[in-house]
Amino acid sequence: AQSVSQHNHHVILSEAASLELGCNYSYGGTVNLFWYVQYPGQHLQLLLKYFSGDPLVKGIKGFEAEFIKSKFSFNLRKPSVQWSDTAEYFCAVKGGATSGTYKYIFGTGTRLKVLA
Amino acid sequence: NAGVTQTPKFRVLKTGQSMTLLCAQDMNHEYMYWYRQDPGMGLRLIHYSVGEGTTAKGEVPDGYNVSRLKKQNFLLGLESAAPSQTSVYFCASSYPLAGVDYEQYFGPGTRLTVT
Repeated sequence: AQSVSQHNHHVILSEAASLELGCNYSYGGTVNLFWYVQYPGQHLQLLLKYFSGDPLVKGIKGFEAEFIKSKFSFNLRKPSVQWSDTAEYFCAVKGGATSGTYKYIFGTGTRLKVLA
Repeated sequence: NAGVTQTPKFRVLKTGQSMTLLCAQDMNHEYMYWYRQDPGMGLRLIHYSVGEGTTAKGEVPDGYNVSRLKKQNFLLGLESAAPSQTSVYFCASSYPLAGVDYEQYFGPGTRLTVT
């Protein structure tokens, strides 16, 4: 069955620390991969996405993610976090455009708290 | 553009009552989705629609019905609310263009409490 695993449920960091959030997926075939962020009290917003090409994807607010096909992973990174990055982060996967699927599978989320 | 809007933002229901959540998008998106978000469980797909007049079941469809009579609107109905349906409900839409799927755009959510 298709699934997405986010191994870190809660992460606490101090400002300026580096961040890496893990995301592994189980899906046969080509995939589209996404990271969404949900700030407290707000709706989900797209951080970055991977469809094809360069496996290192850069998103908004200094975030980046690397698609490693052999490891079925799409980890999110940021070199230096800020207090304003406190939020919940969701990894999601969808079959590629030719897969015929319309469903997005979300991970359970990682709550990040950044201490000022 | 307002993007994706949801009404109401908050609602409290008694067990057995019914209600309809409205999702509207002004981006001419083909696909629309309803999710529920529960602590520690991420987002789970309830129902989705790939076009006007079509709907399909997602991961957790029981107790919910949907309709997509107009392209811009996607309604989620609870016929007989149960406490297990207490959750935050998010609507999303997306639009495939030239064989490439784009990301989903989410609404602000509806917080529903069933007592």
